[in-house]
Amino acid sequence: AQTVTQSQPEMSVQEAETVTLSCTYDTSESNYYLFWYKQPPSRQMILVIRQEAYKQQNATENRFSVNFQKAAKSFSLKISDSQLGDTAMYFCAFMKHVTGANSKLTFGKGITLSVRP
Amino acid sequence: GAGVSQTPSNKVTEKGKYVELRCDPISGHTALYWYRQSLGQGPEFLIYFQGTGAADDSGLPNDRFFAVRPEGSVSTLKIQRTERGDSAVYLCASSPMGLADTQYFGPGTRLTVL
Repeated sequence: AQTVTQSQPEMSVQEAETVTLSCTYDTSESNYYLFWYKQPPSRQMILVIRQEAYKQQNATENRFSVNFQKAAKSFSLKISDSQLGDTAMYFCAFMKHVTGANSKLTFGKGITLSVRP
Repeated sequence: GAGVSQTPSNKVTEKGKYVELRCDPISGHTALYWYRQSLGQGPEFLIYFQGTGAADDSGLPNDRFFAVRPEGSVSTLKIQRTERGDSAVYLCASSPMGLADTQYFGPGTRLTVL
């Protein structure tokens, strides 16, 4: 079974600054995907970024980037130039790769990020 | 196009009652998932459909929970003899076949059992 750990319950950052959210995971799988999802008060889960475990290059999406350390089983999210709209809960999630099929997500407990004006 | 929709948005019921929660996936998505999110926690997997059949129902907590997807599109999560501990947000997600890494979520149904 897989586990995802987010040990920081909440963080705060000043608008326009950079913040890093931590995530570690445990798995015996060799091929998998990692995700960061954002959940604002509207409850809608929004995909922020994803990383394929077989890719060494860290994924980036505009202001969002990850630091994927496969050996350490660490997957942190860096948000640059933080904006008020980034205020939300952020969840780290794991998905096992299954050839030709879909698979469930295993989520961490989440972290509440507040961006201060 | 339209995203995943869930109805009702909120449901309040009394202990012991039966409830149904509905999920309309994105058109053409063959995979559909149900998750349950308790207050202050991350979503937990309940069940996954591939087409009309349940490919993985290992997350259903007990036999009071049941889900169907009779025509391979809309799905209904059914909870019998509700208990206060069933109170949570129930999230639905869908995914196109062959793209195992992308799940699109609905806004969820908040279930409150009094």
